[in-house]
Amino acid sequence: EVQLVESGGGLVQPGRSLRLSCTASGFTFGDYAMSWFRQAPGKGLEWVGFIRSKAYGGATEHAASVRGRFTISRDDSNSIAYLQMNSLKTEDTAVYYCSRDISPMALYYFDYWGQGTLVTVSS
Amino acid sequence: DIQLTQSPSFLSASVGDRVTITCRASQGISSYLAWYQQKPGRAPKLLIYAASTLQNGVPSRFSGSGSGTEFTLTINSLQPEDSATYYCQQLNRYPFTFGPGTKVDIK
Repeated sequence: EVQLVESGGGLVQPGRSLRLSCTASGFTFGDYAMSWFRQAPGKGLEWVGFIRSKAYGGATEHAASVRGRFTISRDDSNSIAYLQMNSLKTEDTAVYYCSRDISPMALYYFDYWGQGTLVTVSS
Repeated sequence: DIQLTQSPSFLSASVGDRVTITCRASQGISSYLAWYQQKPGRAPKLLIYAASTLQNGVPSRFSGSGSGTEFTLTINSLQPEDSATYYCQQLNRYPFTFGPGTKVDIK
């Protein structure tokens, strides 16, 4: 059974950093692109970025709203995707979800999602 | 960025009704569109990808169509468990933007 579990969320002050983890199981993690999304309280969904599998170069794409502050990485040996968040702003407050590509063929549609982890940026 | 609009933003329908949600893109996105269902407090669920391909395990009463700039999600024979917010997402160009959502309520 495919499972994704996010962790690392919490309360953080503006300007500080936080690293989220997405621990995967039930599939060959290294074969799939992984993506991060977020949802501010009471708002819609926002794509944060994704990281390709090594077979497709392992490169990342990030939304403009987080580019230069957030970095997505992966540890295939431990089946974990990371979201490093620096210079956090109050508007980064959201539930953060990780998700898996539907196919190792890099279709970049995302089917399995974690339960989400809440990040609150506040002084 | 490619902007997506959805209409209506809210609809209320009865069990058994046929429901249609429209998603329009600010520029052509070929068929690079997905539809998600989200219930309160839950992660989104992928329903449709590539505009019209039903994701494994999704009931066949859900269907998607369209290409270019106009897309539709249809729910045939609405069921109580379909009460949720539905989002479209374009994956033609970065950033992968979402529509604002359509809330579906069961009368």
